[in-house]
Amino acid sequence: DVKVTQSSRYLVKRTGEKVFLECVQDMDHENMFWYRQDPGLGLRLIYFSYDVKMKEKGDIPEGYSVSREKKERFSLILESASTNQTSMYLCASSTLYEQYFGPGTRLTVT
Amino acid sequence: GQNIDQPTEMTATEGAIVQINCTYQTSGFNGLFWYQQHAGEAPTFLSYNVLDGLEEKGRFSSFLSRSKGYSYLPLKELQMKDSASYLCAVRAPGSGYSTLTFGKGTMLLVSP
Repeated sequence: DVKVTQSSRYLVKRTGEKVFLECVQDMDHENMFWYRQDPGLGLRLIYFSYDVKMKEKGDIPEGYSVSREKKERFSLILESASTNQTSMYLCASSTLYEQYFGPGTRLTVT
Repeated sequence: GQNIDQPTEMTATEGAIVQINCTYQTSGFNGLFWYQQHAGEAPTFLSYNVLDGLEEKGRFSSFLSRSKGYSYLPLKELQMKDSASYLCAVRAPGSGYSTLTFGKGTMLLVSP
């Protein structure tokens, strides 16, 4: 059974803080993804990674960076959090055919 | 670019049959996926089509017509637990990374 875990379910940060969201998968998948989900906008891809130390920008990378030092772990970094980054953040890992999602982190930036 | 359209909301009663539609206009196509997402939870995979026709998978079959850029998810014998958001997603061709573009989702409300 594929398991994707995220470091926090809920997180509250202040504007300007550096925020780390971590994601770990246990199925040896090469591909990992970070999305944000907002009402009326759906799921939007921020960044993805297809191998250790490799990363590609998704549709909305501005204000975010990522790190993948180990195959099982993919981190999303908000260098200086802003209120418009308040959102639900979902991590996923995938085979060629199916993406498996983590439970999500609801981030509030005040 | 990718454009994926789904109805925003649908309502139905328990035991009924509904069909959730998805239309797409994309610069290429390499598969269409359906996910279910209950409120406050992560999306879970339901079905996948890459060829035309009906892909049967228990309660969650899905139909695809590539020439029409159209898919639907038929839900039969609706149960209260089927109240959820249903997400349609398209995979671009040549995408060995399996990136998906998601529609905004259809919120299905099942009432007694």
